[in-house]
Amino acid sequence: QVQLQQSGAELAKPGSSVKISCKASGYTFTSYYISWIKQTTGQGLEYIGYINTGSGGTNYNEKFKGKATLTVDKSSSTAFMQLSSLTPDDSAVYYCARGELPPLYWGQGVMVTVSS
Amino acid sequence: DIVMTQSPSSLAVSAGETVTINCKSSQSLFGSVRQKNYLAWYQQKPGQSPKLLIYLASTRESGVPDRFIGSGSGTDFTLTISSVQAEDLANYYCQQYYDTLLTFGSGTKLEIK
Repeated sequence: QVQLQQSGAELAKPGSSVKISCKASGYTFTSYYISWIKQTTGQGLEYIGYINTGSGGTNYNEKFKGKATLTVDKSSSTAFMQLSSLTPDDSAVYYCARGELPPLYWGQGVMVTVSS
Repeated sequence: DIVMTQSPSSLAVSAGETVTINCKSSQSLFGSVRQKNYLAWYQQKPGQSPKLLIYLASTRESGVPDRFIGSGSGTDFTLTISSVQAEDLANYYCQQYYDTLLTFGSGTKLEIK
């Protein structure tokens, strides 16, 4: 069965970076993009962008350019998202989702907390 | 960006009642090539990831109970939950995928009295 297993919760200091992972199983990794979505209580669900798992090509929501960097490791069927220059506004749950439209398979989410 | 406006933000109903959630997009989601509306509905229960209920505005995902009904076209869409069950306690979101920059409604919190 299709699974997207995300890494564990992160506690980070303002100004630092975090890199969260999304390991796919149960399907051919390079057959689908991986999308990333941010969820906060205040802003709801926001689409960050997606990565072409075959070519590594990316497409970002303008709002997250410079904030999020998406990469993949095909050898381990894992997608990554690095969040840089963290501020408290980056505190959220971050989901990966398989790239069919609309997204059907989602990871369990990673809670990122930015606090000094 | 396509803005999705969802209402109401919350509602409380008794089990067995019918619920209607509305979603309006800032531009048409109707694709002329496939003659389909690129609108989905998700259910998110506390502590869980969003679960796809409806796609193409009115097609139920496999395994979704037939009490969940999606309707609408163009810019106006509705999710109807008939005979609400206690297990339907959740937040519900509409999402457009007409544009590659996916956008979501702000959500509707469904509470069971």
